[in-house]
Amino acid sequence: AQSVAQPEDQVNVAEGNPLTVKCTYSVSGNPYLFWYVQYPNRGLQFLLKYITGDNLVKGSYGFEAEFNKSQTSFHLKKPSALVSDSALYFCAVRDPNSGYSTLTFGKGTMLLVSP
Amino acid sequence: GAVVSQHPSWVICKSGTSVKIECRSLDFQATTMFWYRQFPKQSLMLMATSNEGSKATYEQGVEKDKFLINHASLTLSTLTVTSAHPEDSSFYICSASGLAGGGVTGELFFGEGSRLTVL
Repeated sequence: AQSVAQPEDQVNVAEGNPLTVKCTYSVSGNPYLFWYVQYPNRGLQFLLKYITGDNLVKGSYGFEAEFNKSQTSFHLKKPSALVSDSALYFCAVRDPNSGYSTLTFGKGTMLLVSP
Repeated sequence: GAVVSQHPSWVICKSGTSVKIECRSLDFQATTMFWYRQFPKQSLMLMATSNEGSKATYEQGVEKDKFLINHASLTLSTLTVTSAHPEDSSFYICSASGLAGGGVTGELFFGEGSRLTVL
């Protein structure tokens, strides 16, 4: 069975500093990996995904993530945080053999960017 | 990306009444739609998977008679919370997937969510 771990409930960073939100996964075979962001009382917005190819994936709003197969990680990063980046971030995985199935989500990490 | 519209955004109802939430894919045909429930500061809990024209598949512990799901067309799925009680108060989110909407390698597209408050 596939699973995702986000070890941090909350990440605090000052505006302008780099940020990292951690994610590790477990899936048989090669995974499809995703990051989503959720603002209060809103649905989830897609940020980026890794399917195959370059391990460094660039996404929306200046975010990027690096796929590390040996460490089974897919950490989300941004070189310079903005206060407006404060939100709840979800990492998700899909087993490529599962067809149109849903994603398995991590428990989420709250990112707080202070001015 | 593809757009999923969810309605209503907010609903307040009395205990014992039923509430219907709609989820529409606006610019693609959603072969599969998923319904989630989210409690405050928690992750999404998958309630059920619905495929157009067939019965929904419910996750363990989800009452199918309480949460009725209908996926009558490739662009519309509905979740009806029957005889709602205060413990059903939650944030309900739908998402859609399909060939044109991203396919197997594609991301899911989410509605904006519906906040249900049962008095």
